[in-house]
Amino acid sequence: NAGVMQNPRHLVRRRGQEARLRCSPMKGHSHVYWYRQLPEEGLKFMVYLQKENIIDESGMPKERFSAEFPKEGPSILRIQQVVRGDSAAYFCASSPASRGNTEAFFGQGTRLTVV
Amino acid sequence: AQTVTQSQPEMSVQEAETVTLSCTYDTSESDYYLFWYKQPPSRQMILVIRQEAYKQQNATENRFSVNFQKAAKSFSLKISDSQLGDAAMYFCAYRRPGGGNKLVFGAGTILRVKS
Repeated sequence: NAGVMQNPRHLVRRRGQEARLRCSPMKGHSHVYWYRQLPEEGLKFMVYLQKENIIDESGMPKERFSAEFPKEGPSILRIQQVVRGDSAAYFCASSPASRGNTEAFFGQGTRLTVV
Repeated sequence: AQTVTQSQPEMSVQEAETVTLSCTYDTSESDYYLFWYKQPPSRQMILVIRQEAYKQQNATENRFSVNFQKAAKSFSLKISDSQLGDAAMYFCAYRRPGGGNKLVFGAGTILRVKS
């Protein structure tokens, strides 16, 4: 059973370009979470999605950031018109359900560098 | 809003010795989950140990154990017989019931293991 797969592992973008980060959850998982880790800091929650639905986007910046989890295919975190401050590691986690004693499994992250 | 505080930016331990990492949290909930995650240089987030707030017994996983003090809102991690492979960043995290697997992380503690 493959774990949570994120790609690319490293992404370099120039200021003003778009960044697309992909996350394929573990098999059987229908819930996806995105986190951002700035240098020397802990992970900060961004958004929680189920298939075709955004459940909680309280941690998403109001502009330039969007996320989706379509019925088919991976979840996508999209950052438009990137700026230097977007440079960070972006982690995706998945879980099978929202209730009960379930655990979220993390991918290895995508390190975004904006030059 | 819930907050998680790790007051030790960095800790060192001699190989084979014991070290304790501190974590405090703030919540008005009575039922919740607490976690310790390990992040080695590979950036992979690895779940070390989990504690359900309704359980009075402290969780233990091999060389890792916690001291959960619910009234004090304290959740420390004890690593016994430290090994070189334990060197990593350690994050304490909180999850409230009903929020899916949305986690609130502390800022982390870097653990260095000396041979």
